[in-house]
Amino acid sequence: KAGVTQTPRYLIKTRGQQVTLSCSPISGHRSVSWYQQTPGQGLQFLFEYFSETQRNKGNFPGRFSGRQFSNSRSEMNVSTLELGDSALYLCASSLGWGDTEAFFGQGTRLTVV
Amino acid sequence: GQQLNQSPQSMFIQEGEDVSMNCTSSSIFNTWLWYKQDPGEGPVLLIALYKAGELTSNGRLTAQFGITRKDSFLNISASIPSDVGIYFCAGQDYGQNFVFGPGTRLSVLP
Repeated sequence: KAGVTQTPRYLIKTRGQQVTLSCSPISGHRSVSWYQQTPGQGLQFLFEYFSETQRNKGNFPGRFSGRQFSNSRSEMNVSTLELGDSALYLCASSLGWGDTEAFFGQGTRLTVV
Repeated sequence: GQQLNQSPQSMFIQEGEDVSMNCTSSSIFNTWLWYKQDPGEGPVLLIALYKAGELTSNGRLTAQFGITRKDSFLNISASIPSDVGIYFCAGQDYGQNFVFGPGTRLSVLP
């Protein structure tokens, strides 16, 4: 059974640009959560999607948005990139909303220059 | 907002030793989780705790959900080199939100 797949693995963007990250959950999982991981702030929850609807949102500015498609794949978008957005972005999938049995992907390492 | 504290921040131990780490919060959680993250990988769920006072084992790992619902600890017995990594605790509140601790970095000396 394939795990959680995040693409791309690495990305370099310039300040002011926007970026879209993709996450394919484990087959059969309908919930996808996104996290930002930085050395200074640790793992911080961005948002969770279930059945194409955002169910929970963390404390991030509106520049961070996401969506989920009918096949449960999810994308995360960050607009007007800032240097502080450089981080490892992790996606986790689970069967249902708020399910504790969440499986993480390897992440997308975003560097903003 | 909710915050979790983990201690120690880092530790160096000899192979074969037992390890203890804990996680505390000023808020109550209804679920406690422990994850391990290896370099270049996403966190992997080790143990999930659902009830105050619950003690759960997974191989050489044992974790407990504190009675006050504000803390949890993780023990690793007879450490081996592959135990190296960062251990995160996470709490899930009644709003289904997850909060992660800053992590404990474990290094094992041969």
